[in-house]
Amino acid sequence: GAGVSQSPSNKVTEKGKDVELRCDPISGHTALYWYRQSLGQGLEFLIYFQGNSAPDKSGLPSDRFSAERTGGSVSTLTIQRTQQEDSAVYLCASSPSGIGYEQYFGPGTRLTVT
Amino acid sequence: AQRVTQPEKLLSVFKGAPVELKCNYSYSGSPELFWYVQYSRQRLQLLLRHISRESIKGFTADLNKGETSFHLKKPFAQEEDSAMYYCALRGPNDYKLSFGAGTTVTVRA
Repeated sequence: GAGVSQSPSNKVTEKGKDVELRCDPISGHTALYWYRQSLGQGLEFLIYFQGNSAPDKSGLPSDRFSAERTGGSVSTLTIQRTQQEDSAVYLCASSPSGIGYEQYFGPGTRLTVT
Repeated sequence: AQRVTQPEKLLSVFKGAPVELKCNYSYSGSPELFWYVQYSRQRLQLLLRHISRESIKGFTADLNKGETSFHLKKPFAQEEDSAMYYCALRGPNDYKLSFGAGTTVTVRA
């Protein structure tokens, strides 16, 4: 079946602009995660959704970052007033539920802030 | 606080030689440990997890609780093993993964 998909695959934006990154999880997966992959930093957790609720937003680096999920499916990560330090690959993952399950990753969105 | 350390950013080996990727962790309790792999232009995928005790693509990893390590090993590296490898940790009742910084492996002919 189809895996996790993300769009766009690449996004170049000017500093100060807002961007929206989209994630389509595997059908039926109730848990959805956003991670950020920065050069030399590994992957850092941003936010976790169970259904449409986000019980853990602890990884969001600032209030410029927000995310929502609708219909228990698609999620959108929004970054307002982008800064150069926001440049990274943003990965989305989904799993059948939150605890104990393998997470399946999407291909990522490469964000470049100029 | 939980932490995963991969001391090697880059690792280069010859085809047929053994390869070992180091991973050390800190965690209060008994976490679940994973190795993820990302081949060139492919998405991140699970390679193995310690609870399954499997050998995948010739790779094995043993959890050493005394040394808090979860090193990844393969006795005979192949060119197709060239990739980025991430060690990750998850608490027993947790959902999020904590990743190391990753090790880029290059297997030369």
